[in-house]
Amino acid sequence: EIVLTQSPGTLSLSPGERAVFSCRAPHNIRNDYLAWYQQRPGQAPRLLIYGASSRAPGIPARFSGSGSGTEFTLTISRVEPEDFAVYYCEQYGSPPYTFGQGTRLDI
Amino acid sequence: QVQLVESGGGVVQPGKSLRLSCVVSGFNLIAYGMHWVRQAPGKGLDWVAVISSDGQTRYYADSVQSRFTISRDTYTNILYLQMDSLRVEDTAVYYCARGGAPDHWGQGTLVTVSS
Repeated sequence: EIVLTQSPGTLSLSPGERAVFSCRAPHNIRNDYLAWYQQRPGQAPRLLIYGASSRAPGIPARFSGSGSGTEFTLTISRVEPEDFAVYYCEQYGSPPYTFGQGTRLDI
Repeated sequence: QVQLVESGGGVVQPGKSLRLSCVVSGFNLIAYGMHWVRQAPGKGLDWVAVISSDGQTRYYADSVQSRFTISRDTYTNILYLQMDSLRVEDTAVYYCARGGAPDHWGQGTLVTVSS
């Protein structure tokens, strides 16, 4: 099982600032099958990024993903009020698939 | 319009069984792999199981291996999760989700395992 480690645990920012989330794996994720999700309170997760860097349909351009192998990053160029939520990474390259523990983006 | 609607959750005693259903519309199960993902109250996401688009391959999280079974009915377009030998730690909202990196999710159904 691939254990994903996300950092930081909580990110405290103001609207308009840049947000950077990290996700690390102990060994290479096959085919860079790494996804990022946003989850707002009381809602189901929403796919933001797949394949480490491909933006899902309908996702604003301020969200971007980068990285390969064992280190991945999600960046929000300028945080909007609706972006305050919890963000998870997931590897879907090698079963059992696994999620990181999440990073909370707080005001 | 793609929709996924879970049902079958409820309160069950430890050691008992429960079957969850996920009715999908707007696409066919034969074209997509499907997942079950759960979330314990106040906790993070926990991947549970996946079934491949051809229905031939299934994988499970270590924590549910040999207790849970994922299956599907391609005629009715329903995904299932049979959960046996339930434990208190299986208490969670259970989501069904579509695709390799799931791009559509249901609203979830709550399973509470308690004596």
